[in-house]
Amino acid sequence: DIQMTQSPSSVSASAGDRVTITCRASQDISSWLAWYQQKPGKAPKLLIYAASSLQSGVPSRFSGSGSGTDFTLSISSLQPEDFATYYCQQANSFPYTFGQGTKLEIQ
Amino acid sequence: EVQLVQSGAEVKKPGESLRISCQGSAYFFPNYWITWVRQMPGRGLEWMGTIDPSDAYSTYSPSFQGHVTISADKSISTAYLQWSSLKASDTAMYYCVRSMATYYYGMDVWGQGTTVTVSS
Repeated sequence: DIQMTQSPSSVSASAGDRVTITCRASQDISSWLAWYQQKPGKAPKLLIYAASSLQSGVPSRFSGSGSGTDFTLSISSLQPEDFATYYCQQANSFPYTFGQGTKLEIQ
Repeated sequence: EVQLVQSGAEVKKPGESLRISCQGSAYFFPNYWITWVRQMPGRGLEWMGTIDPSDAYSTYSPSFQGHVTISADKSISTAYLQWSSLKASDTAMYYCVRSMATYYYGMDVWGQGTTVTVSS
């Protein structure tokens, strides 16, 4: 299986800040990476697919980059509704493993 | 509105069997794979396995292979996740989610989740 490692595991920030979350794959996954946001008690929501493509309806303050083994999710100006847990997922080969998650908390 | 609607919460005893369901609506069901994702209490997301409803091909994570079975009935736009013998460690929230079969645009539509509680 491909292992996905996110960092940090948690981060504290304030509204208006820029935040970057990283995700590293244990082997080359090209651009087969997606990012999801999950709020407590809710199903996850797709933010980014193919490493950098913004899902329809997702605000443009979210962006993704990277290829190969190293990827980032950036949020340019945090809004109160962005405080949540974020997961990366590889889709290069089955099983399509997730990272362990990054919890974004209000500072 | 495109939706995946899951069956309701379940409370079971260890050793019992269970099947939960996920019904798609407002889209052509055979064109999208259905994946099941586990989330244990307070934990992260785990990819369990996926099925192509068009031909019932399925594949599983080694962590779940042999313990669960994923199936689908395209005639009623429904996918299933089943256990023949539940364990207490199966207590979790289970989500179904779709992804396009022809190209991976991410998993874009999620069910609301089904809570499974296994306790003696």
